[in-house]
Amino acid sequence: NAGVTQTPKFQVLKTGQSMTLQCAQDMNHEYMSWYRQDPGMGLRLIHYSVGAGITDQGEVPNGYNVSRSTTEDFPLRLLSAAPSQTSVYFCASSYWTSSDEQFFGPGTRLTVL
Amino acid sequence: DQQVKQNSPSLSVQEGRISILNCDYTNSMFDYFLWYKKYPAEGPTFLISISSIKDKNEDGRFTVFLNKSAKHLSLHIVPSQPGDSAVYFCALNAGNMLTFGGGTRLMVKP
Repeated sequence: NAGVTQTPKFQVLKTGQSMTLQCAQDMNHEYMSWYRQDPGMGLRLIHYSVGAGITDQGEVPNGYNVSRSTTEDFPLRLLSAAPSQTSVYFCASSYWTSSDEQFFGPGTRLTVL
Repeated sequence: DQQVKQNSPSLSVQEGRISILNCDYTNSMFDYFLWYKKYPAEGPTFLISISSIKDKNEDGRFTVFLNKSAKHLSLHIVPSQPGDSAVYFCALNAGNMLTFGGGTRLMVKP
């Protein structure tokens, strides 16, 4: 099992550009989520999904879109990047709910100039 | 307003001694409490958890204590080892969402 994979590992964008952060898991987990980590602020939930076709907003959803067309994939889209979105992004998955053990990907470090 | 706080940004402990990491919260709706450990340039990994109906859970060297009346969670590591040096996050669950504390950097000195 590869676990949770994220691509790319690093990305630099200019303000206003759009991009998609990819996340995939091969553990047949229903729950998937995206977090951003900023210095001194821990991880903050952006969006989550409890199964294919179902997504919901987390704590900091503005500026981000998600979709869940398959159980395996949960891409995060930045529609128009802003410097405030400079952060490290982590994707995670768990069997059913957020209170189950979550398995995290290695992260994507994004810089918006 | 932060619902979950880890008031100690860092903690230094001698190898073999006890490490105590603390987490305070304000929301009574949290029903499950978890600790995650994070090494640099890696994603967090799950360590231990406790449900709101318990006040203690133990797994090897790691014990989590929950004091609901004080809205306080703590993680004890005994004995501490150099490999435990990492950032530790408490994560509290309500509904289908986790709220993380800001993290405590633990350094275990040989």
